[in-house]
Amino acid sequence: DTEVTQTPKHLVMGMTNKKSLKCEQHMGHRAMYWYKQKAKKPPELMFVYSYEKLSINESVPSRFSPECPNSSLLNLHLHALQPEDSALYLCASSQEAALNTEAFFGQGTRLTVV
Amino acid sequence: QQQVKQSPQSLIVQKGGISIINCAYENTAFDYFPWYQQFPGKGPALLIAIRPDVSEKKEGRFTISFNKSAKQFSLHIMDSQPGDSATYFCAASISGYSTLTFGKGTMLLVSP
Repeated sequence: DTEVTQTPKHLVMGMTNKKSLKCEQHMGHRAMYWYKQKAKKPPELMFVYSYEKLSINESVPSRFSPECPNSSLLNLHLHALQPEDSALYLCASSQEAALNTEAFFGQGTRLTVV
Repeated sequence: QQQVKQSPQSLIVQKGGISIINCAYENTAFDYFPWYQQFPGKGPALLIAIRPDVSEKKEGRFTISFNKSAKQFSLHIMDSQPGDSATYFCAASISGYSTLTFGKGTMLLVSP
């Protein structure tokens, strides 16, 4: 199983809503990532979890709150987002964070903030 | 120094032709160079990757050429097919660090 599964695929939320994005992998990977991708742009790294601990936060606003409940799951909690936060949110995983091994991406959650 | 410059921004190739996408970097500490393919509405998928100890790597119709002295690497897609139409991102990373530095992407259209 080389799949990273993200739910939901699409999400529309108001600026006062609280929602969560979910990501799951069963490849035994110990590094998991959240990326944000705007149209026609490359993915931008948001967070890195290594062995279930947050190791990198790329100066992401606090309205985005990551959580890693266990080695297979990664959540991104959203609160009080702005319309400019509308984007494709990608989860990825790799064997280890510090090794140059293949990063597997999920299909993403298309988020629209209204 | 962390930048990876990718060109062209877009590319149209006839079916059966060769698609060539180029990337250049400045940071000589980069030691892993993957290429990702992304279809609309999907996440990026690793296509092929190379490390600087080899100058070329081929997987099927896809070849990476790597020029360490020029700090450049390129993706060649032989016998391009309409199904290859996608956005391609080159990337680079450094062992011991978990971040991928992506190029800006190339939108490839292979005309039938």
